[in-house]
Amino acid sequence: QKEVEQNSGPLSVPEGAIASLNCTYSDRGSQSFFWYRQYSGKSPELIMFIYSNGDKEDGRFTAQLNKASQYVSLLIRDSQPSDSATYLCAVNDRDYGGATNKLIFGTGTLLAVQP
Amino acid sequence: DTEVTQTPKHLVMGMTNKKSLKCEQHMGHRAMYWYKQKAKKPPELMFVYSYEKLSINESVPSRFSPECPNSSLLNLHLHALQPEDSALYLCASSQGRTVKNQPQHFGDGTRLSIL
Repeated sequence: QKEVEQNSGPLSVPEGAIASLNCTYSDRGSQSFFWYRQYSGKSPELIMFIYSNGDKEDGRFTAQLNKASQYVSLLIRDSQPSDSATYLCAVNDRDYGGATNKLIFGTGTLLAVQP
Repeated sequence: DTEVTQTPKHLVMGMTNKKSLKCEQHMGHRAMYWYKQKAKKPPELMFVYSYEKLSINESVPSRFSPECPNSSLLNLHLHALQPEDSALYLCASSQGRTVKNQPQHFGDGTRLSIL
């Protein structure tokens, strides 16, 4: 059973701080990793994706991937109250046949940024 | 607003009704997906339509049936649903000749309530 694990939170950080969200996955052969943000009652919104070991930065967001440790993280710098949401980690299922891209989702981490 | 358009945004139906959810994308993506999401849970994959081939999550009951009139449309037909089918139904699409590893982009979802 392939799994993606996240701490459900809530993770509470003060406004302006760095929020660090973590995710581990069980399939060592996974190749693609995605972070989605989901506000309550809304649909998931793609924030970042990363394929290679190391860091990938986009504005206030940095995704970090360590394939040896099977660990992917999302850092949010200068956190704002508007960043308060559930953050879903997703990993591709490489054994899913054909030209499809099945994602395995973690259960999500609820982030609360305190003004 | 996203580039994946879902209609209707809300739907209330009785257990004996037949209805359809519609999903359209104009990004030239070659794979489209239907997910079901219950409150405080991650999205669960129901169907994938990719390069004219339909893949089905075997746990999805037959009262849900997908239809793909063309590569930019993916409908979900509903018949004789149960109260436990009340959920947020999400459509997503992804691009590329090799759609593995490509990010999926979600529509705004249809909030379905079964009376």
